[in-house]
Amino acid sequence: EVQLVESGGGLVQPGGSLRLSCAASGFTFSDRFMDWVRQAPGKGLEWVGRIRDKVNSFTTDYAASVKGRFIISRDDSTNSLYLQMNNLKTEDTAVYYCCTDISGSSYGGYFGQGTLVTVSS
Amino acid sequence: DVVMTQSPLSLPVTLGQPASISCRSSQSLVHGNGNTYLNWFQQRPGQSPRRLIYKVSNRDSGVPDRFSGSGSGTDFTLKISRVEAEDIGVYYCMQGSHWPPHTFGQGTKLEIK
Repeated sequence: EVQLVESGGGLVQPGGSLRLSCAASGFTFSDRFMDWVRQAPGKGLEWVGRIRDKVNSFTTDYAASVKGRFIISRDDSTNSLYLQMNNLKTEDTAVYYCCTDISGSSYGGYFGQGTLVTVSS
Repeated sequence: DVVMTQSPLSLPVTLGQPASISCRSSQSLVHGNGNTYLNWFQQRPGQSPRRLIYKVSNRDSGVPDRFSGSGSGTDFTLKISRVEAEDIGVYYCMQGSHWPPHTFGQGTKLEIK
């Protein structure tokens, strides 16, 4: 059974930083592209970014709204995914979900339970 | 970026009756490899999203067969043959053909009349 467990959310001031983690199990993590998706309170879903696998050199892509501020990384030895968030803005307030390859593969599309990040002074 | 437009945004339904949600993309979702990466997600109140359908019409494991997806090019539909109480929530379409970025529709709230 695929399990994705996010952690690291909390309250942070504008301009601050936070690092989210996602512990993955139940599948071969190293073979998968991984995504972060967020949902602002009462709003819809927004893709944040993606990290590819080792075969694809762990390259990353980001939404325009977070590019230059957020960094996605992974540690295949511990089946962990990370989201480093810097220079946080109030509009970054959201539940952040760790996801397996949401593009549309048969083995992807799983979401974790999410972790809430609140950016406020 | 590909813009995904859902309609309606609110869908009151009677239990046992069918429901249909439309999703349109601003450009064709046919990928260079011939696949069409149009997915549907369900988000029940207070829960994480769950994928129901991938590549237009493929149901994920454990998804009841009352859910079906169809469409091509830029026009797609999610149908529920007979709505049950557990189907209440928000439904999102999402394209994975032309990224970055992956883009979602605004969401359609399915509620009981």
